[in-house]
Amino acid sequence: GAGVSQSPSNKVTEKGKDVELRCDPISGHTALYWYRQRLGQGLEFLIYFQGNSAPDKSGLPSDRFSAERTGESVSTLTIQRTQQEDSAVYLCASSSQSATTNEQYFGPGTRLTVT
Amino acid sequence: DQQVKQNSPSLSVQEGRISILNCDYTNSMFDYFLWYKKYPAEGPTFLISISSIKDKNEDGRFTVFLNKSAKHLSLHIVPSQPGDSAVYFCAASGGSNYKLTFGKGTLLTVNP
Repeated sequence: GAGVSQSPSNKVTEKGKDVELRCDPISGHTALYWYRQRLGQGLEFLIYFQGNSAPDKSGLPSDRFSAERTGESVSTLTIQRTQQEDSAVYLCASSSQSATTNEQYFGPGTRLTVT
Repeated sequence: DQQVKQNSPSLSVQEGRISILNCDYTNSMFDYFLWYKKYPAEGPTFLISISSIKDKNEDGRFTVFLNKSAKHLSLHIVPSQPGDSAVYFCAASGGSNYKLTFGKGTLLTVNP
């Protein structure tokens, strides 16, 4: 079956512009996560959705970052007034909360470059 | 404050030999540990996991060992194959939302 997909795969934007990143999780997965990976670092948790509510937004680095999810499907991560430190690979993952292993399935990521 | 640490940024191993990747953690609330493998330009792929109630889990060539008292886990790959060359991330979770805390990764190179 189809895995997690993300778009765009690459995004170059000028400092100060807004960007929107999209994630399509695996069908039927109720949990959705956003992470980011800056150069040379591990993956950093941003936000968790269960269905279309976000009980844990603790990883969002500032109020310029927001995310929403419609139903139990597509999620968008929006970064307003982008800064150079926002440059990173943004990864989306989904999982079935009934899974006993907490295995999360990741998409290929969106590489964001802020110039 | 890094809660999950992979102190070796890279490891080089000969094909057919054992690869041992190490991971340390500091948060006693973590109760589930996972290893992910990542190729360039791809998302991480789940490899193997272990619950804190166990000390070993094996899946084919991959075995994960957990030492709770030392807050240490390791991934053993035997025999190593060139296709195993990738970045390996250790991750941990604890609590009801299963969010993962990752280490910085170890680049494994398996030489033919």
